[in-house]
Amino acid sequence: DSGVTQTPKHLITATGQRVTLRCSPRSGDLSVYWYQQSLDQGLQFLIHYYNGEERAKGNILERFSAQQFPDLHSELNLSSLELGDSALYFCASSVAPGFEQYFGPGTRLTVT
Amino acid sequence: DAKTTQPPSMDCAEGRAANLPCNHSTISGNEYVYWYRQIHSQGPQYIIHGLKNNETNEMASLIITEDRKSSTLILPHATLRDTAVYYCIVRVAIGANNLFFGTGTRLTVIP
Repeated sequence: DSGVTQTPKHLITATGQRVTLRCSPRSGDLSVYWYQQSLDQGLQFLIHYYNGEERAKGNILERFSAQQFPDLHSELNLSSLELGDSALYFCASSVAPGFEQYFGPGTRLTVT
Repeated sequence: DAKTTQPPSMDCAEGRAANLPCNHSTISGNEYVYWYRQIHSQGPQYIIHGLKNNETNEMASLIITEDRKSSTLILPHATLRDTAVYYCIVRVAIGANNLFFGTGTRLTVIP
């Protein structure tokens, strides 16, 4: 158990819909990262927040957005969902940027 | 961040040491070598990291060559639960953001 929690574990939704994935970092960690893992793309970095501020963006689509709240939990919002958005979404946390990252169990999103 | 090269797959007999190689010939002086693994579809798990000295923890040992162009992750007594994809990642530490996961090495531990 890494100490990072993610909800929900599974999510099935239809194309065009919007969903919110939630992540609670390990106690004391200020950085939260989001990654997407699809069958044909491997693990891809989406976005990083540090202490509430956006720190870096990776291959995140404009339809996707995220935020980190004052209690340090983070949410990843995915809108106008397409079939290709079906993937595992992982959240990771670290004490600060550059330190080792600890991953949650992931949310499996299926878009039908 | 420097790129890494790993064999796509390896087998190891249960109870034997698993030695997973990684080439990172373009590594810079301020870049660390990190190892993560992913068991089936679980979240990636941090294993170990190092700069230039060999490192050991309760999970594994990391051996980095003197020129730092390659490294080996050693699982001293592999078990069936060590079957996973192992990723070698090279990155700067200070201020670094994301981890770049390549294709990794799929290690299969055989009974």
